Amino acid sequence: EAQVTQNPRYLITVTGKKLTVTCSQNMNHEYMSWYRQDPGLGLRQIYYSMNVEVTDKGDVPEGYKVSRKEKRNFPLILESPSPNQTSLYFCASSRGQGTGGVYGYTFGSGTRLTVV
Amino acid sequence: GEDVEQSLFLSVREGDSSVINCTYTDSSSTYLYWYKQEPGAGLQLLTYIFSNMDMKQDQRLTVLLNKKDKHLSLRIADTQTGDSAIYFCAESIMGFQKLVFGTGTRLLVSP
Repeated sequence: EAQVTQNPRYLITVTGKKLTVTCSQNMNHEYMSWYRQDPGLGLRQIYYSMNVEVTDKGDVPEGYKVSRKEKRNFPLILESPSPNQTSLYFCASSRGQGTGGVYGYTFGSGTRLTVV
Repeated sequence: GEDVEQSLFLSVREGDSSVINCTYTDSSSTYLYWYKQEPGAGLQLLTYIFSNMDMKQDQRLTVLLNKKDKHLSLRIADTQTGDSAIYFCAESIMGFQKLVFGTGTRLLVSP
């Protein structure tokens, strides 16, 4: 089944403890992206990647890192999480480069992160 | 800057039509999208419209695009309780490099 898989689904952590949220897609998509979803703010892009070893900042990159060493994986790293990073995070991928044209994005199921 | 706006909430009765509205800012958007998010799930692409179209119909869904006013709407005919979800409009900007999402409209369908 074609899908984007995120892990974990739920995570509670303490301020300052480094964590990684994994994202993997099995569709050979070139473009991958991370978003965070907050009430009243919709989805805001954190980072995106046009291809292996090519990443760029989105609208809210502060406090996050990403890497794209393989085409299928695009992990999101929080080196020193803070409570304002409590949010619902989504990984997405698309065919070709960018927004996916008529195919749009394929989203993962989300990771709900709480930082205390 | 880029901004996509939607009303936050819509409540309808089962069998009625629902109309969800969206305004966007980037006149160069090539594609505009509607995504649906059910509770506890990621977003799923519902439909899209290409920027040179005024209307697109897909079964119960009708998308209307007014480029002059930068207004996009999604009409759901014969709304069912299973249509209860959050609906996001999104515009593609910088060619295809980025999707900007609206704040989402929560649709509640009552029996």
